[in-house]
Formats: sequence, C-alpha cells, structure tokens
Amino acid sequence: GAGVSQSPSNKVTEKGKDVELRCDPISGHTALYWYRQRLGQGLEFLIYFQGNSAPDKSGLPSDRFSAERTGESVSTLTIQRTQQEDSAVYLCASSLFPVYEQYFGPGTRLTVT
Amino acid sequence: GDSVTQMEGPVTLSEEAFLTINCTYTATGYPSLFWYVQYPGEGLQLLLKATKADDKGSNKGFEATYRKETTSFHLEKGSVQVSDSAVYFCALNPADFGNEKLTFGTGTRLTIIP
Repeated sequence: GAGVSQSPSNKVTEKGKDVELRCDPISGHTALYWYRQRLGQGLEFLIYFQGNSAPDKSGLPSDRFSAERTGESVSTLTIQRTQQEDSAVYLCASSLFPVYEQYFGPGTRLTVT
Repeated sequence: GDSVTQMEGPVTLSEEAFLTINCTYTATGYPSLFWYVQYPGEGLQLLLKATKADDKGSNKGFEATYRKETTSFHLEKGSVQVSDSAVYFCALNPADFGNEKLTFGTGTRLTIIP
C-alpha cells in the first residue's frame, strides 16, 4: 500500500512569509508525528497527534509553529513569519498505534532566504 | 530528559570490512530502541529494533543488542557492502503511554568504498 506522503517536496520562501506543509499518513494509522532535521543535526520532535486526543505540542520551538490534523487523516504544519533558522527538512511519520514502528515520509525541504 | 548519543562520523570503510557504530542512551524506565537508516535520496526507514533488555534486533545482516547494564545499542555488521552507504540514526521510544515520540541521535554517515 501507499506510504506516508508529504508535499511539497521542496519549498523556498522569503523570510517573513508563512508556509504550510502537508502530510498524508498511511491509511488507518492513528498516530502522526512531525519532526525537523536541520543540517548536520539529528531529528527533533515537534508535535504528535493520537486519535482525538489533544496533541502533544511539547516540541514546537515557538508560537510561530502550529499544526492541525483532520481526524485520523491529513495533517498540516504551518510556520508563520518564517526565519532563516527554520530552514530544515520537515519529516512526518505515522504509526498504527503509539509505541509501534513509525513510518516516515520523504520530507519537505524548507529553505528560507 | 531522554537522550541518545551515537558515534560521530563520517565513517569510511572498505567493502567487506567489519562495522560497529556505537550508540548509548539515557532514559528512565524501559525504552524501545531502534536503528533507522537513510539511503541517499530516500526517506528514513526502520532498520531494526529491540523492545526489551537482551533482545537482539537484526535485518539485512545488521545486528544490535539491547544492553541495559551499559545502556547501549551498538550497530554491527560483519561484512559491509557498497550498498550500505547511508546515514544511520539510533533512536529510542520511551514506550510510556502518552509519551511515544522518538528521540534520535545525530546520525552517523557511513561510506563504503569498493
């Protein structure tokens, strides 16, 4: 079946603009995660959705970052007033249930100029 | 908080050499441990995992043993191939309900030369 998909694959934006990144999880997966991978660094957790529970937003670096998820389907990560330090690859992952294996999408490479 | 420390790269080996990539962790409780691999131009994918002490995860000739006494999960392969060139990430999941996010190491870039 289809894996996790993300769009766009690449995004170049000017400092101060808002961007929206999209994630389509594997069908039936109840858990969805966003991570960020900055150049030369490991992956940082951003936010986690599980079913209809309140999301775990503990990894969001500032209030410029927000995310939504529609039921157990698509998620969008929004970054407002982008800064150069937001440049990174943003990865989405989903799992059938928490603590199960997480399947990652190909990522969105965001470049803020 | 939870953390993962893995061997810094880059690592360059000749084909058929023995590989070890060290990984140690800090966590409370009994986390699950993972190795993920990112091949050039591809997404992150699970290589192997272990969910309790003394478990050995294995896949594609790679192995790692969950050592609680040394809080380690070192990745090994007896004879590497050029196709193993990739970035390898060690990760843990606290496996506590309500706290399932993965904590990753910084990654180790491996290059195998023919």
